[in-house]
Amino acid sequence: QQQVKQSPQSLIVQKGGISIINCAYENTAFDYFPWYQQFPGKGPALLIAIRPDVSEKKEGRFTISFNKSAKQFSLHIMDSQPGDSATYFCAAHFLLKTSYDKVIFGPGTSLSVIP
Amino acid sequence: NAGVTQTPKFQVLKTGQSMTLQCAQDMNHNSMYWYRQDPGMGLRLIYYSASEGTTDKGEVPNGYNVSRLNKREFSLRLESAAPSQTSVYFCASRNRGLNTEAFFGQGTRLTVV
Repeated sequence: QQQVKQSPQSLIVQKGGISIINCAYENTAFDYFPWYQQFPGKGPALLIAIRPDVSEKKEGRFTISFNKSAKQFSLHIMDSQPGDSATYFCAAHFLLKTSYDKVIFGPGTSLSVIP
Repeated sequence: NAGVTQTPKFQVLKTGQSMTLQCAQDMNHNSMYWYRQDPGMGLRLIYYSASEGTTDKGEVPNGYNVSRLNKREFSLRLESAAPSQTSVYFCASRNRGLNTEAFFGQGTRLTVV
């Protein structure tokens, strides 16, 4: 099972609000779960990432919450700003395994933060 | 720092034509990837290369071929383009290990008419 599911497909949040994007994975062997941010006309760029031995990671206004038993993880954007408007992808892959080097992405969430 | 460079940025092809998308990285990464991005479908893996000299199929390899020319370069070839291959194509690279961020190119917007 290689799929990574992501919801919602699109999200509209008012400035200052909290944006929450959820992901679920199937392959319990994955050991690295990054989030990527993509602005129109650009390639995705790493935003924040977590390993499954940690339940939460925070970097500024961005927090990943990880639930290993449920095979779910989520991105929270606190105090959302119009500059956060972008497409967000969750992903899953192996850190070191060479026989399975795929980086699998969720379908993406289009976030719009309105003033 | 160039990072990951893709050429061309835009391309229009007629059905049946062939072309090669070029990708080069200057970060000495082992792994390189080709993805296509379509509305509502996210990033779907076409092919990847875990190291120089090796390539493997991803989720949607049909209609594509790849070549890992050396450690720096990973090309994607469309032998006979079809309208279903209209998409934005991204090349990415990364190193396995603790610092494992994938770096993406700026993308190639391909239209097949």
